[in-house]
Amino acid sequence: GDSVTQMEGPVTLSEEAFLTINCTYTATGYPSLFWYVQYPGEGLQLLLKATKADDKGSNKGFEATYRKETTSFHLEKGSVQVSDSAVYFCALSDRGTGANNLFFGTGTRLTVIP
Amino acid sequence: DAGVIQSPRHEVTEMGQEVTLRCKPISGHNSLFWYRQTMMRGLELLIYFNNNVPIDDSGMPEDRFSAKMPNASFSTLKIQPSEPRDSAVYFCASSLILREAFFGQGTRLTVV
Repeated sequence: GDSVTQMEGPVTLSEEAFLTINCTYTATGYPSLFWYVQYPGEGLQLLLKATKADDKGSNKGFEATYRKETTSFHLEKGSVQVSDSAVYFCALSDRGTGANNLFFGTGTRLTVIP
Repeated sequence: DAGVIQSPRHEVTEMGQEVTLRCKPISGHNSLFWYRQTMMRGLELLIYFNNNVPIDDSGMPEDRFSAKMPNASFSTLKIQPSEPRDSAVYFCASSLILREAFFGQGTRLTVV
């Protein structure tokens, strides 16, 4: 079945450090891939998405490239800020199954210290 | 658009009481999801609807939980009777079918 595996947290970085949060997936069809972010006390917000292989999603300095050969969608940012502290979720929607389920990873908590 | 609207934002109730959570999806969206989030179990999909029809309710913990979507602009999640282990943040999300989901602010439920 479909699933998403993302790196365990928590992750603590200093301001301006480079960020990578790994995400790999298993899908039976043709998935769309997403990164969501959850700030304290709020719901999840879509950060970026990619709908087909080799697509790169980007937003607010974050990037992720849909790699079909490695079934990965790693999140990266070149220089993190304190305001990036949040929980990040990788997610998958598999069009090939005909369903509309959204599969989420377990989330990775990022803390950025000044 | 105001986004996905959930009510109430916070609910405190006594064990054994009935709890009803409400959700108004984004106008025009035809898929609606109910999720539960806890520290121990993370984000769990409880049920989702396409065009007001329940498609997958395999995540509903037990018969105490029920969800309805009587029309395209309203859904409820009901817990009867509630138990302390139901304490969590419950999120509603909506989307166009096979597109990204938009989440509400959540309802923080505390059962004492």
